[in-house]
Amino acid sequence: NAGVTQTPKFQVLKTGQSMTLQCAQDMNHNSMYWYRQDPGMGLRLIYYSASEGTTDKGEVPNGYNVSRLNKREFSLRLESAAPSQTSVYFCASSDLWGNEKLFFGSGTQLSVL
Amino acid sequence: AQTVTQSQPEMSVQEAETVTLSCTYDTSENNYYLFWYKQPPSRQMILVIRQEAYKQQNATENRFSVNFQKAAKSFSLKISDSQLGDTAMYFCALRSGYALNFGKGTSLLVTP
Repeated sequence: NAGVTQTPKFQVLKTGQSMTLQCAQDMNHNSMYWYRQDPGMGLRLIYYSASEGTTDKGEVPNGYNVSRLNKREFSLRLESAAPSQTSVYFCASSDLWGNEKLFFGSGTQLSVL
Repeated sequence: AQTVTQSQPEMSVQEAETVTLSCTYDTSENNYYLFWYKQPPSRQMILVIRQEAYKQQNATENRFSVNFQKAAKSFSLKISDSQLGDTAMYFCALRSGYALNFGKGTSLLVTP
């Protein structure tokens, strides 16, 4: 059982380039999330999708777009990367809400030069 | 808005000793859930323990236990018999609805 799979694991971009981070889960979860982790800042929510067909902004959505392609897949797109988007990105999924824990992917280390 | 505060950026404990990590939170919701996640150097996020706010009994998972003080909005994590493998970042998190809000984390070092 793979759980939550993120690709790529590492990426280096130049300022202004675009890229899409891919995320897929095989647990039939309804909800999916994108977080970024910066030193000293913890994990901050970028966007989430409560269920297939819906997406909502989190705490730090500026500069990002998302697509909930189907129930399994939730992608994060950087249209014009900036050095401030250098971070570790985590995708997560959960079933329902409340006391259900989030299952996390292994993260993507992104550097924008 | 929901906030989670971890006031100890770094802590250190000797192997076999007990350590307590602090967490306070703020929410206007009555129905919410609290979590502690561990992030070792591998970067993987691992659930340590969870607590439902409507339950007065403190949650325990083997060597890990919490002290949940709802009125004070406090949710501390106690690690007993600390082991070298407990070295990691620990994040306190609050969930009400869909999203999980995290604190900034406490880096715990367990020394021999």
